[in-house]
Amino acid sequence: QVQLVQSGAEVKKPGSSVKVSCKASGGTVSTFAISWLRQTPGQGLEWMGQIIPVSGMTTYAQKFQGRLTITADESTTTVYMELSSLRSEGTAVYYCARLGPYFDYWGQGTLVTVSS
Amino acid sequence: QSVLTQPPSASGTPGQRVTISCSGLTSNIGIQYVYWYQQLPGTAPKLLIYRNNQRPSGVPDRFSGSKSGTSASLAISGLRSEDEADYFCAAWGESLSGPWVFGGGTKLTVL
Repeated sequence: QVQLVQSGAEVKKPGSSVKVSCKASGGTVSTFAISWLRQTPGQGLEWMGQIIPVSGMTTYAQKFQGRLTITADESTTTVYMELSSLRSEGTAVYYCARLGPYFDYWGQGTLVTVSS
Repeated sequence: QSVLTQPPSASGTPGQRVTISCSGLTSNIGIQYVYWYQQLPGTAPKLLIYRNNQRPSGVPDRFSGSKSGTSASLAISGLRSEDEADYFCAAWGESLSGPWVFGGGTKLTVL
C-alpha cells in the first residue's frame, strides 16, 4: 500500500518561498507522476504541476509557471514542491498525490499560511 | 471559480438516496472520464468512482456514478451518517489551471 507523508504546516510572509516535501513508501511511485494540488475554501482544488521521478520530467500549470519548482530525490523517494513569491491567496492546504491514471494515493496535506 | 460546476450543498435523511451533479464542457466531461472523491473533514480526498462509473475495491455499492453529455452525477443510496462529507468531481481537460479540472465540491449533510 502506497503511503505519501508530507511535511508539517508552514507560516510564510508575502513575497517569500515555501518548500513542502512528500515522502513515498510502500509501493511504486518513481514511474508514476506525482502531482501537487492545492485546496482553498473559495477556489476548491487546483492542480499545480507534477513530476515523474524516474525521469525528472516536470509539467506545470500555466498559472504557476516561473514560481513553481517540483523536484524529486529518488534515493530518499521524496518529492519536493517549492512555490516562490507567495501571495496571501496562496494560503491553502497543499497535497501531493500519485497519478496513475487518476489520483489514487494522496498525502495528508500541508497547510501553508501566507500572512504578514 | 472552479471549472466544473457542482451545487455547494446537498442533504438527506438516513436511508434516502441523494444525487450530486457535476457540470462541465465538451472539452472536459464531454470527452473525458469523470472521477468522484469523498473528503471527510480534515482528511485527504479518497477516490470513490473512477472512469465515470467504476468503484475501487472497498467502496460500497451504495455509491454509483453516471455520465451523460457534459454532465455527471454521483448517487448515494441508503444514506448513512458516515456519508456526511464533501464530494467533488474531477476530469481531464485543458485549462489555465492545467490538464486536470475540478468541481468546487458539494457538502453533504445527513439530517
